[in-house]
Parts: sequence; C-alpha cells; structure tokens
Amino acid sequence: IVLTQSPGTLSMSPGERVTLSCRASQSVSGKYLAWYQQKPGQAPRLLIYNASSRATGIPDRFSGTGSGTDFTLTIRRLEPEDFAVYYCQQYGSSLWTFGQGTKVEF
Amino acid sequence: QVQLVQSGAEVRKPGSSVTVSCKTPGDTVTSYAVSWVRQAPGQGLEWLGRILPTVGLTYYAQKFHDRVTITADASTNTVYLELRSLISDDTGMYYCASPSGWLQYWGQGTLVTVSS
Repeated sequence: IVLTQSPGTLSMSPGERVTLSCRASQSVSGKYLAWYQQKPGQAPRLLIYNASSRATGIPDRFSGTGSGTDFTLTIRRLEPEDFAVYYCQQYGSSLWTFGQGTKVEF
Repeated sequence: QVQLVQSGAEVRKPGSSVTVSCKTPGDTVTSYAVSWVRQAPGQGLEWLGRILPTVGLTYYAQKFHDRVTITADASTNTVYLELRSLISDDTGMYYCASPSGWLQYWGQGTLVTVSS
C-alpha cells in the first residue's frame, strides 16, 4: 500500500489550525493507520494509532480521523514545539509502509 | 518507559554486509514484534521488515526481501538486522521499533555509513 501525504511543506504560525492529509493507494483495513512526529536528530514519536486514538501523553490538540483511503491529522492550535515533520504509517496489511512526510515550518 | 538499545555506528565498504543489534526488555510488549525502519540523510522513514521474536516469523518489505534478514535471540532478548550487498544509498540511520502495528517504542538509532 502506497501512502501519499500532502502537502509536502506547510508554512504556519503559532496558534493556527493545521490539517495534514494521508491518502492510501488502497483501503487500509481496520483503520490501522498511525501518525508520528519527528524533530531533527530525534527518533519518531507516536502521536495517533488506529486512525484516531491518541498515544499516551499526547496533548488533546492532536486528533486523527479517517478510514478507507483518506486520513487526516489535525493540530487544533499550533504550539512552537509542534514545528516538525509528520509521517503516516499503515499496518493494515502484512507489509507496512510510511508516507513520505509533511514538514510543518514556521 | 520501554527502552530499546541499539549497537553503535558502523562504516562499511560497498558490496559488504552490516549487522545492527537491538536489545529489548524482553517483556510482553516488545516480545510481540520488533520492526526495523531506516532513514537516509534528509529523507523520510522507510519500513524494512519485522519479526515476531516468540515464533521467529518475519515479514520483509518487497524492496529489501533479497538483501535483509531479521533474526532474534531469545536468550539475550536481542533482535538483529543484517543488510547485505551494501550500496551508498544504504547510508542512513537505522531504527528498531516496537510493538506490533503502531510503533510506540524506538531505539536511539544506529548510523550506517557506506563508503569506499
């Protein structure tokens, strides 16, 4: 399954609402899709799993929705620490894949 | 906090092989599955494959199925990634991650450099 994220880069300001898209080449079974945040020099951090469940310790300004082939990550109000690269990942098939990432920059 | 501890940086010549290790706590969480993910410099994340250590079952991304082997040593709770026939494009950071499906826990990463 190929995951395509859009846009490639988003130029935003603190306080704004952000919507990131992840589109799958075929339906992702069981809504088995996760979102990660990665900052330079760090390992990725899990934000959302099963399309809409927040991981432990993740602020409620992060939310995920979607099913089938279309998924969305929303950041309700950008904080300075949210400027990073975001990746989606599907685990609905036996072979998992990541999207190419969306960079949220100031 | 679950910790996955990876082996140190490696430098290899083109055509050679490299093995990276990932020591897990060996508890229920990480015994379920361990994946390997790589990231070339300035690029995105790429899933290489995963192993279910308790049964030794493996899955590999099609792109790597003929060059990658993932194994597990239950006695030491360590998972290994072997990558063969290295090329310069294999240069990057290699991460192990767990558990199955969504990847909650990540190793610190191992930098593999392929250079003549």
